[in-house]
Amino acid sequence: EVQLVESGGALVKTGRSLRLSCTASGFTFRDYDLTWFRQAPGKGLEWVGFIRGIPYGVTTEYAASVKGRFTVSRDDSKSIAYLQMNSLKTEDTGVYYCARVLSVLDYIYGMDFWGQGTTVTVSS
Amino acid sequence: DIQLTQSPSSVSASVGDRVTITCRTSQDISSWLAWYQHKPGKAPKLLIYRASSLQTGVPSRFSGSGSGTVFTLTIDTLQPEDFAIYYCQQPNSFPLAFGGGTRVDIK
Repeated sequence: EVQLVESGGALVKTGRSLRLSCTASGFTFRDYDLTWFRQAPGKGLEWVGFIRGIPYGVTTEYAASVKGRFTVSRDDSKSIAYLQMNSLKTEDTGVYYCARVLSVLDYIYGMDFWGQGTTVTVSS
Repeated sequence: DIQLTQSPSSVSASVGDRVTITCRTSQDISSWLAWYQHKPGKAPKLLIYRASSLQTGVPSRFSGSGSGTVFTLTIDTLQPEDFAIYYCQQPNSFPLAFGGGTRVDIK
C-alpha cells in the first residue's frame, strides 16, 4: 500500500527555518517524482516545489513565492523527501502536503497519492 | 503562467442530483488537466487525469471532459460521500496551478 507521511510542522517565528519530511512506503521511491503543496487557512491548494526522480536527473522546480527560500531534496536510501523552508513569512502558514507524481515519460498526469499534511504556523 | 478559473465557486445539491463543474484555462493546455476531491482534514484525492481518464478506484459516477481551454467534471447521482471541495489542476507545465475550488455541499 502506497503511503506518504509528512512530519516536522511546527509553530515558528518569522525569519526562522523549518524542515519538513515526507516519508514514503509501498513503492520504489527512487523511480518517482515528488511534489509539495500547501493550503493556507481558508484558501485553496497551492503548488510549492517539485523534485524529479533519478530517471530524470533529480532536478527541482519552485513556485515564484518560495523560490530562493525553500529547497526540495530527497534521500532515496531512506525513501524520504524534504522541504527545507528558510526565511519564513506569515504568509507561509498552512497545511503542507507531499504527493507522488503520476507521470509517463516525464509527462505529468497528476498527483496520485498524497499525505495527510503537516501544519506550519509562522507568527510574528 | 497558466491561470485556471472554476465555476461555480460553490453549489448546493441533494443526494441523487447531477453536478457539473467547469474549469477554464488562460491558454490551451490540450488534455493536460486533472481533477481532485478534497475533504477537510483529509488528503486530496485524484479523480481524473488527462481530462477524461478515471483514476483507478474512483467510482464511475465521476467523469471528465473537455480539451483546449474548457473542461468539465460531472458527478452523476451524487452520493453522501461526495460532499467536498473539487479542484482542477494543470499538472504538466511549471508553475503547476489549481483552480480556486468548487465546494459541493448539501442542499
